[in-house]
Amino acid sequence: GAGVSQSPSNKVTEKGKDVELRCDPISGHTALYWYRQSLGQGLEFLIYFQGNSAPDKSGLPSDRFSAERTGGSVSTLTIQRTQQEDSAVYLCASGWGAPGTDTQYFGPGTRLTVL
Amino acid sequence: GNSVTQMEGPVTLSEEAFLTINCTYTATGYPSLFWYVQYPGEGLQLLLKATKADDKGSNKGFEATYRKETTSFHLEKGSVQVSDSAVYFCALFELNTGGFKTIFGAGTRLFVKA
Repeated sequence: GAGVSQSPSNKVTEKGKDVELRCDPISGHTALYWYRQSLGQGLEFLIYFQGNSAPDKSGLPSDRFSAERTGGSVSTLTIQRTQQEDSAVYLCASGWGAPGTDTQYFGPGTRLTVL
Repeated sequence: GNSVTQMEGPVTLSEEAFLTINCTYTATGYPSLFWYVQYPGEGLQLLLKATKADDKGSNKGFEATYRKETTSFHLEKGSVQVSDSAVYFCALFELNTGGFKTIFGAGTRLFVKA
């Protein structure tokens, strides 16, 4: 299994709680992307990492959202004080790092349900 | 700003029918264009891409041509199969001095009947 993996696959939480979503990219991929897919919507771009740095965080929907990447590999997306509108599938993708033309390899996603 | 608009689904076709899924975009520069596909129960995967005007991407019998004059990247297949039933996403990626932009369309669900 050399693909992108995400954990957990499903997460149910109560409103107001914090959640952490994890992404393990394909080994060697320098670029990592987070997206959100709400029911009936397209993918909403959240943030992009090149190595451990995120050049542009403007896609994050609010200051309750943060993401980090360590060792140029694993990334964690954290949502603080979750709200019901945060319910969605959170997708991670990785690539070789030429974002203008990069093919992105997607993980299976984490389905987040906020009650 | 940049945007991607694709035809609403669901699209229902009989096997061996001709498929077109329309996709148009707006961009400030010269983006790369992609079609991704999501089969039932699976993750998104690249179907085809084109990185400059007049390029044609093709894969698994699907084709799409990057038309700068009409800002379109319509997906076509001459003869669909039941196994093509999936959700198809048109996407735009652009890297310029303003930063990195990636925008996905809302997706078009295709049902192919035997």
